[in-house]
Amino acid sequence: DAGVIQSPRHEVTEMGQEVTLRCKPISGHDYLFWYRQTMMRGLELLIYFNNNVPIDDSGMPEDRFSAKMPNASFSTLKIQPSEPRDSAVYFCASSHGQTSNQPQHFGDGTRLSIL
Amino acid sequence: QKEVEQDPGPLSVPEGAIVSLNCTYSNSAFQYFMWYRQYSRKGPELLMYTYSSGNKEDGRFTAQVDKSSKYISLFIRDSQPSDSATYLCAMKAGAQKLVFGQGTRLTINP
Repeated sequence: DAGVIQSPRHEVTEMGQEVTLRCKPISGHDYLFWYRQTMMRGLELLIYFNNNVPIDDSGMPEDRFSAKMPNASFSTLKIQPSEPRDSAVYFCASSHGQTSNQPQHFGDGTRLSIL
Repeated sequence: QKEVEQDPGPLSVPEGAIVSLNCTYSNSAFQYFMWYRQYSRKGPELLMYTYSSGNKEDGRFTAQVDKSSKYISLFIRDSQPSDSATYLCAMKAGAQKLVFGQGTRLTINP
């Protein structure tokens, strides 16, 4: 059974460029989460979707960040324009339901470096 | 103050030692407590899940929750080099979003 698939695994780009991160959740999962992980701040929730609808985007740092989920099998996180402080590992996770005992399954992340 | 505090370490112990990892929290509404393990360059994976106070054991791993002290622990017995990873505590209140600790980086030396 395929897990959460993220692409690209690594991205290096210059400040000011647009960055698009992609995620394919586990089939049948109805919740999708985007996280950012840094040494200083740890793992932070940016936004999550339920049945393709954004539910809570309070963790999105600023208007330069946007996320979409056009269908149940695909989501994107976009940064435009990118800045060096956006450098981090970005994780996508999915789960079946939001009840307490349903684990979130994480992808292996996109390591983003903004020069 | 962060909702969840976790010492980032690093923590280094010899193989076979008992490891104790801890988190404290401030939100008394948290009811569900989890430990995730994250290997280098991988995503976190759920290791243990506990509801409310008490202990839960799974093989060499034991999770403890003390809600009165707002303190949770993960114990690893007979630690192995393959246990070397970052361990993140996480907790939530009902259907609310998960809040993670910063993670403790653990190394088990052969």
